[in-house]
Formats: sequence, structure tokens, C-alpha cells
Amino acid sequence: AQSVTQLGSHVSVSEGALVLLRCNYSSSVPPYLFWYVQYPNQGLQLLLKYTSAATLVKGINGFEAEFKKSETSFHLTKPSAHMRDAAEYFCAVSDPHGNKLVFGAGTILRVKS
Amino acid sequence: DAGITQSPRHKVTETGTPVTLRCHQTENHRYMYWYRQDPGHGLRLIHYSYGVKDTDKGEVSDGYSVSRSKTEDFLLTLESATSSQTSVYFCAISESSDEQFFGPGTRLTVL
Repeated sequence: AQSVTQLGSHVSVSEGALVLLRCNYSSSVPPYLFWYVQYPNQGLQLLLKYTSAATLVKGINGFEAEFKKSETSFHLTKPSAHMRDAAEYFCAVSDPHGNKLVFGAGTILRVKS
Repeated sequence: DAGITQSPRHKVTETGTPVTLRCHQTENHRYMYWYRQDPGHGLRLIHYSYGVKDTDKGEVSDGYSVSRSKTEDFLLTLESATSSQTSVYFCAISESSDEQFFGPGTRLTVL
């Protein structure tokens, strides 16, 4: 069975500061990993994905994530936060052969001016 | 944006009444999914479909049924709604295990 743990249900940063959202996964097979973003009253939008190619993945809006097998982690980072980054972020894992996603509980990012 | 619509977008109903939510896609994707989103739980899979008339249960399927008679439509039915089914429901589609595309969501309130 696969599972995802997102450390910190709420993260607050100042505008211009580093964003770090943590995700650890559990999977019995080499996983595919995803970060999605949800703005208020909207659906989920894919930020980036890891599908066994490069371990450092770049996504939209300046976000990136690094797959670390030894740490079973896939943390999301952005060097400089913008007010528009305020949203809820979800990490998800899938079995490459299973076509199903398992989501973490989500992290709400607040950006202070 | 992937062509996914959900209807209705908002619904208020009473305990014990049947409710059907519709997901419609224009992408001809094979897989369709229904999730519910609740604070502190992220998104949890209710049911999914891997083709017309082919469906399977997800993590939280009790109290829900689904049907898929056409590639483009995936219906979620609450036979007798309960207050614990108050939630935001999302439909998603995919063609592979690579990525899922999400609809705008349906906010359901059961009084």
C-alpha cells in the first residue's frame, strides 16, 4: 500500500522568502510522485511530476522538487515566495502500473507581505 | 485546460434523499475518478472507472455508487444522503498513470 505524509498542515512565509513544503511517501514499488496546487474555490492543478527520469523536477510558477529515494522524500521548494503562491498544496503518489493516486492531507501556504 | 465539467456545482439536500453528481469530459480519456475532499484528509478516492461499464471501488466507497455508460460521462450517486457525505466532490480524468486532470468540483451540503 502507498501513503503520503505532508509535514505541516500550515506553513507561513514572508514574501521573497524560501518556500519549503515537505512530503514523505511510502511505496513498495518505484513510485510516480506529484505536487498539485489548489487555489480557493478551484480544482487541483498539476505543479510538477516525477516519473523516474531526472530526480530534480522543475514545474510551473518557479517551483521545483527533488526525489530522494534514500529519504523517501519529495519536498517542494521555491526560492522566493510571491503573494500569488498562497494556496493549498497536495503531494500525491501513484503506482506506475496502477493508475490511482494517493494524496497527502495538504499544506496551506500563507504568504505574508 | 482539460475539458472536464461537473454538475451541479453546488447542491443542498436533505438527509435520506438520493443525489446524483455528473462528470463530463471532452478529452476521450480512458480513466475517470471521483474523489471527496475534506479538511485534514486531502482527497480520497471514492470510485474510479477504467472504461465504459468498468468500475472499481476506492478508499471510501461505502454509501456511493457509480455508473459509466459512455466514455464521456461518469455519474456518482448517493442513494440516501447522510450528513457525513457533506463534502466537496472532484472528478478527475487520465489516459495513463502519468497525470490526472481535475474538474472544478461540486460542493454538496446534506442537512
